[in-house]
Amino acid sequence: AQTVTQSQPEMSVQEAETVTLSCTYDTSESDYYLFWYKQPPSRQMILVIRQEAYKQQNATENRFSVNFQKAAKSFSLKISDSQLGDAAMYFCAYRRVQGAQKLVFGQGTRLTINP
Amino acid sequence: NAGVTQTPKFRILKIGQSMTLQCTQDMNHNYMYWYRQDPGMGLKLIYYSVGAGITDKGEVPNGYNVSRSTTEDFPLRLELAAPSQTSVYFCASHTGGDRTNEQFFGPGTRLTVL
Repeated sequence: AQTVTQSQPEMSVQEAETVTLSCTYDTSESDYYLFWYKQPPSRQMILVIRQEAYKQQNATENRFSVNFQKAAKSFSLKISDSQLGDAAMYFCAYRRVQGAQKLVFGQGTRLTINP
Repeated sequence: NAGVTQTPKFRILKIGQSMTLQCTQDMNHNYMYWYRQDPGMGLKLIYYSVGAGITDKGEVPNGYNVSRSTTEDFPLRLELAAPSQTSVYFCASHTGGDRTNEQFFGPGTRLTVL
């Protein structure tokens, strides 16, 4: 079974600085998806960024980018120019390509932005 | 489009009571899911469905039941509530097929069992 591990329960960063959240995963498959979700205090799950394993290029979405290291099974999220609205829980998630498209989540990292 | 809607938003149950968490999506998605999120943790899959009339167990199905009689609705039933079922419950849906499509999540139901 696939597993996802986030080893940083909490992180904090000064506003306007850059922060990197870590995620590792375990799978025997060669094609899959990886995601970062943001969960603000409202509890709504918001998709931040996605990466397809067969693509070598790292995904970027405005201030959010990933460092996808397939051989190391590592998938970190970099947030540049941190803003107060970035404060939230962040979850890394894995999804197989085949089958029922179930998501496997990590434990989450709580990100605090200091003004 | 309302997306994925869940009712109720909050509920307090006594041990041994039963209830049904409702989930409806208006996007004509084939795939639907129920996750639970315990305090300070990630989401874990309870049950899922790949179409009307088809359901299957996820990682933590004990104490729950589901049905899928229509494409739109995927209710989650708790028969004998236990304190261990205190959690936030999320319903999600996905169109299936397309590699890039994301899962859409409902706003969640916070359930407390006392």
